[in-house]
Formats: sequence, structure tokens, C-alpha cells
Amino acid sequence: AQTVTQSQPEMSVQEAETVTLSCTYDTSESDYYLFWYKQPPSRQMILVIRQEAYKQQNATENRFSVNFQKAAKSFSLKISDSQLGDAAMYFCAYRGGVQGAQKLVFGQGTRLTINP
Amino acid sequence: EPEVTQTPSHQVTQMGQEVILRCVPISNHLYFYWYRQILGQKVEFLVSFYNNEISEKSEIFDDQFSVERPDGSNFTLKIRSTKLEDSAMYFCASRAGGRQPQHFGDGTRLSIL
Repeated sequence: AQTVTQSQPEMSVQEAETVTLSCTYDTSESDYYLFWYKQPPSRQMILVIRQEAYKQQNATENRFSVNFQKAAKSFSLKISDSQLGDAAMYFCAYRGGVQGAQKLVFGQGTRLTINP
Repeated sequence: EPEVTQTPSHQVTQMGQEVILRCVPISNHLYFYWYRQILGQKVEFLVSFYNNEISEKSEIFDDQFSVERPDGSNFTLKIRSTKLEDSAMYFCASRAGGRQPQHFGDGTRLSIL
């Protein structure tokens, strides 16, 4: 079974600085997807960024980018120019295969605090 | 932008009572999911639904749980006889298919007294 591990329960960063959140996963599949979701105090689940395993290029979305290391099974999220609104719980998630229902498997989450 | 809607936002129920959580997925989506998040813990998969049947379910999804898509638009999760440990945030999600991501609703907070 696939597993996702986030080893940093909490992180903090000064406003306008850069922070990197770590995620590792375990799978025997070759084709899969990885995601970062943001969960603010309202507890909505907001998709931040996604990466398809067959793509070598790291995904970017404005201030958010990933460092996808397929051989190492590592998928970290970098937030540049951190803003107060970035404060939230961040979950890394894995989705396997290209066929079928493809459930998401989540990590334990990292709580990110932004210091003004 | 179309979105997944869940009702109610908060449900309070006595232990042992039945509860139905409702979701309206995005209209052209084909895959539907329920997830659960106990307070302070990670999000856990409960069940996936495709082509009017369950395609996968987790160990959490025991005989007390059921899902239904009664009318082509709603997607419901029923808990037959609630327990205290069912207290959690329940998220519905839907996906168009292929390589498209899942879209989540805002969740229903279920409190069992």
C-alpha cells in the first residue's frame, strides 16, 4: 500500500521569506500524481499544486513550486515570498495509476505559521 | 468556477441516531469520494463511487456506512447508527476522470453527542 510521510509537524517562517515543506512517499507504481493541499482554519481543502510523475519538469504555480525527486520519492513544496494568508495546514497527497477511482492518500500534515 | 457543495456545514446528532450527509458534485464529473478527518489528524479515504457503484472502500467504511447517488445529482453518505468516534469533518470530492484532480467540498462537521 502507498504511504505518504510528512516529517515536519510544524514550520514557521518570517513574512516575505521562503519556506520548504517536506514530503516523502512510498509506491511501487510508475505512473502517479502528487499534490499539495492547503487547509486553512476554516478547514476547506484547497488544491495548491500538482505534479504528474511522468513529467520531469517541476510544477510551479505563482509563488508555489515543487522539487520532485522521483528516484528518491521526495516531493517538497517551496513557498516564496510568504504571506500571512499562507498560514495553514499543508497536506501532501498521493494518487496512483491512470485507471480506476484513484483515491488520495494523505500525509499527516505540516502546520505552517507565518510570523509578521 | 463550478464547485462541490456539501450540506449541512455542521450536523449535531445523538449517538445511535442515523445521519445523512449530502453532497452535490460538479455536474460533469464521473468519480465521487468521501473522506474523513478526525480533529487534529490526517484526511482518510472512506469510499469511492463510479458508474453507480462503490469502486473502492477503506477499512473504516464498515456496515454502518452506505453511499447513494439517488437522483443523478446528489451523492449522500449515510451512517446508520452513529458512534462517538464518528465525530469528524467529512469531505466529499468529485473528479471528471482521466488525469483531472479531485475537487473538494467545504466539508460537513459531524458532532456526535
